[in-house]
Amino acid sequence: GAGVSQSPSNKVTEKGKDVELRCDPISGHTALYWYRQRLGQGLEFLIYFQGNSAPDKSGLPSDRFSAERTGESVSTLTIQRTQQEDSAVYLCASSLLLLSGELFFGEGSRLTVL
Amino acid sequence: AQRVTQPEKLLSVFKGAPVELKCNYSYSGSPELFWYVQYSRQRLQLLLRHISRESIKGFTADLNKGETSFHLKKPFAQEEDSAMYYCALVEGGYQKVTFGTGTKLQVIP
Repeated sequence: GAGVSQSPSNKVTEKGKDVELRCDPISGHTALYWYRQRLGQGLEFLIYFQGNSAPDKSGLPSDRFSAERTGESVSTLTIQRTQQEDSAVYLCASSLLLLSGELFFGEGSRLTVL
Repeated sequence: AQRVTQPEKLLSVFKGAPVELKCNYSYSGSPELFWYVQYSRQRLQLLLRHISRESIKGFTADLNKGETSFHLKKPFAQEEDSAMYYCALVEGGYQKVTFGTGTKLQVIP
């Protein structure tokens, strides 16, 4: 694919359920980011993967949030026991190390927790 | 510690008026700064980067190391400029990108 792909584009779930959000970065991009964007708010950093280095998890809001990345490919963001305040658009972005700062964003996964 | 500060959550200007979106940063090294834009129903995308010293869609941004600022400017706002604008800083070493909280620009016809 030409760009960053995220799935699902929309997810409605009940409070207390677990959800998984998937991100397919641009092939060859070593860096991958997850951000959260609440309605009317700015970008909130969640987690950053860079190659084989240990991920920067400093933005994860609670231990209900976790993310994995297999090598330099797909990443999955998991939210356990979802709460209503988790409702947001979850954005994934990837970049090449040598072009750091130029992030390519997906269209996001809109999560609604009822 | 807040690395990137965008003090205005919302900026409303009339069409044809000058625009300045403020961004201040905090970084001890040599900064790499960027502006990103998100138009309604579109992906967040790179607008410009300071090292290129370019003008994109009439926007320019100058890095002022003395004032630790990277304000985005345009002399005459257009309605199509209405969007959310984010300032971003690349932190050296780990190459992590940190965004400000964003400023919504509203251009009034």
